[in-house]
Amino acid sequence: GENVEQHPSTLSVQEGDSAVIKCTYSDSASNYFPWYKQELGKGPQLIIDIRSNVGEKKDQRIAVTLNKTAKHFSLHITETQPEDSAVYFCAASESYKLIFGSGTRLLVRP
Amino acid sequence: DAGVIQSPRHEVTEMGQEVTLRCKPISGHDYLFWYRQTMMRGLELLIYFNNNVPIDDSGMPEDRFSAKMPNASFSTLKIQPSEPRDSAVYFCASGGEKLFFGSGTQLSVL
Repeated sequence: GENVEQHPSTLSVQEGDSAVIKCTYSDSASNYFPWYKQELGKGPQLIIDIRSNVGEKKDQRIAVTLNKTAKHFSLHITETQPEDSAVYFCAASESYKLIFGSGTRLLVRP
Repeated sequence: DAGVIQSPRHEVTEMGQEVTLRCKPISGHDYLFWYRQTMMRGLELLIYFNNNVPIDDSGMPEDRFSAKMPNASFSTLKIQPSEPRDSAVYFCASGGEKLFFGSGTQLSVL
């Protein structure tokens, strides 16, 4: 089955700096790669996603890149703000069965 | 729409007791998922349904766990008997590829 690894587990950045979170997946059949943000006491919320036929997708300050050959995908957050502080999860799926990475706790220091 | 609704929000019970977690998915969503979140194991997929039919329950840890979806607007996850290692946050999510999570049930088994 699919296995998703995520790094780093924690990330601390200064407000205004960029943050990058990286994931690798094992199943070459996976074709959908979403990213979720989880704030304290809440369920994960979808922030951006990418499909395997696209190499990069951007939405304002966040972007995701996918290297299907290497089975890597990454989340990039630019101009970080304190409200970006949360736990971020990557995930991969081939047919609706979404498998999550272990999460990255992002702290943005004011 | 009010989103995915889970109840109870918190549940504290003693070892050996039966626990029932409830979920109301977003109307019109064909898929419903149950996830468990712990610090050690992250977000684990337990089971998911399509049009009220269980599709994959390979993540259900033991026979003590069971899930039902009697209709399109209601699902339950039952643990009988409960054990301290079942303590976790249990999330219900609905959608298709894009998942919408509820706020979770924090379960503590003493």
